[in-house]
Amino acid sequence: AQSVTQLDSQVPVFEEAPVELRCNYSSSVSVYLFWYVQYPNQGLQLLLKYLSGSTLVKGINGFEAEFNKSQTSFHLRKPSVHISDTAEYFCAVSKKGAQKLVFGQGTRLTINP
Amino acid sequence: DAGVIQSPRHEVTEMGQEVTLRCKPISGHDYLFWYRQTMMRGLELLIYFNNNVPIDDSGMPEDRFSAKMPNASFSTLKIQPSEPRDSAVYFCASSYHFGDRGRTEAFFGQGTRLTVV
Repeated sequence: AQSVTQLDSQVPVFEEAPVELRCNYSSSVSVYLFWYVQYPNQGLQLLLKYLSGSTLVKGINGFEAEFNKSQTSFHLRKPSVHISDTAEYFCAVSKKGAQKLVFGQGTRLTINP
Repeated sequence: DAGVIQSPRHEVTEMGQEVTLRCKPISGHDYLFWYRQTMMRGLELLIYFNNNVPIDDSGMPEDRFSAKMPNASFSTLKIQPSEPRDSAVYFCASSYHFGDRGRTEAFFGQGTRLTVV
């Protein structure tokens, strides 16, 4: 079975600073990896996904993530954050070819002016 | 497309009452998922359907929970009888599988916030 660990439950940063949200996964088979964002009182919206190919994946709103198979990680980064990036971020994994998503516990990103 | 549509957005009910949550997936999507989100347990997959057929209901907490998908454009999640510990946000999501060529990501609805008092 797959599992996901998001190492930080909360990350406070100042506006225009860089940020990295960490995600490690566990799986005995090949996987697809996803980052979703949840704004207050909203559903989840896809930021980016890794299915195959280049290990550096670019998503919406200036976010990117790098798949590192040897370290079983898929950390999310943004070089300069904005107040509007304040949200909860979820890393998720599914077995390749499967539909079932397993989510991490989420990381609450707070941007301070 | 309007996206995945869930109703109601908020539901407050008394313990012991029946609760029905509704979901309309994105047209053409062949997978539908029901998730529950709580502070303690995060996002949990309850059940998912493929072409209206339940594939995996191992996440359904108890017999009080049931889900149906009578057609490709509608699904319900029912709790009978409801209990205070069922209070959570329930999300519906849908996706499309291209077979060997891949799949879309899961698109989520806005959720139903259920409060059982």
